Amino acid sequence: SSELTQDPAVSVALGQTVRITCQGDNLRSYHGSWYQQRPGQAPVLVIYGNNIRPSGIPDRFSGSSSGNTASLTITGAQAEDEADYYCHSRDSSANHLVVLGGGTKLTVL
Amino acid sequence: QVQLVQSGSELKKPGASVKISCKASGYTFRSFPLNWVRQAPGQGLEWMGWIDTNTGKPTYAQGLSGRFVFFLDTSLGTASLQISSLRADDTAVYYCAREMSGYDPPYTRYYYMDVWGNGTTVTVSS
Repeated sequence: SSELTQDPAVSVALGQTVRITCQGDNLRSYHGSWYQQRPGQAPVLVIYGNNIRPSGIPDRFSGSSSGNTASLTITGAQAEDEADYYCHSRDSSANHLVVLGGGTKLTVL
Repeated sequence: QVQLVQSGSELKKPGASVKISCKASGYTFRSFPLNWVRQAPGQGLEWMGWIDTNTGKPTYAQGLSGRFVFFLDTSLGTASLQISSLRADDTAVYYCAREMSGYDPPYTRYYYMDVWGNGTTVTVSS
């Protein structure tokens, strides 16, 4: 399958740790990347290459992977982390094609 | 700085055509592919395809209608998306995004879209 599956919604208490997951066979062949999208804004890259943070992304964001699952962890979630999060990979059976997850809406309580 | 600047919002009637532009600056335009991603109201991101900015070769997502065509003007550092025979369900925000790639030894590759355009809202309504 070329799909990436994400939980539609996840919630976390302010200051706690949350893990957002992305599952798909493509992730056995490629590291996933993660994007944050706040309402009304363009997506922003937060993690790539499994666990590399672009400049300007807080270090409370981290990534990991195991088997067919990529994870984005926010350690000490802040109110401003409330957003939609999307994972991204290439299609392992047709590597010229891109696959995006369906997105996870993170609510910070 | 590296940025992608997209053209402004469009309001079109069903059946019309629209061409959205994405102008790159701050880097060598032909060095990195550009992706097109759309987002219908209240929905997630949907990958539409990408264009090789060196060769001009487009790659479209499986199932994407032939009404969507990618263009390139390397002299202007601009990529464009043309949508013909517009329908109401084409109403969406359209993004361009630069794609980078890397390699995690011994054998894991990765791709990521590090710079995104500001988005162009296309509204199709009679």
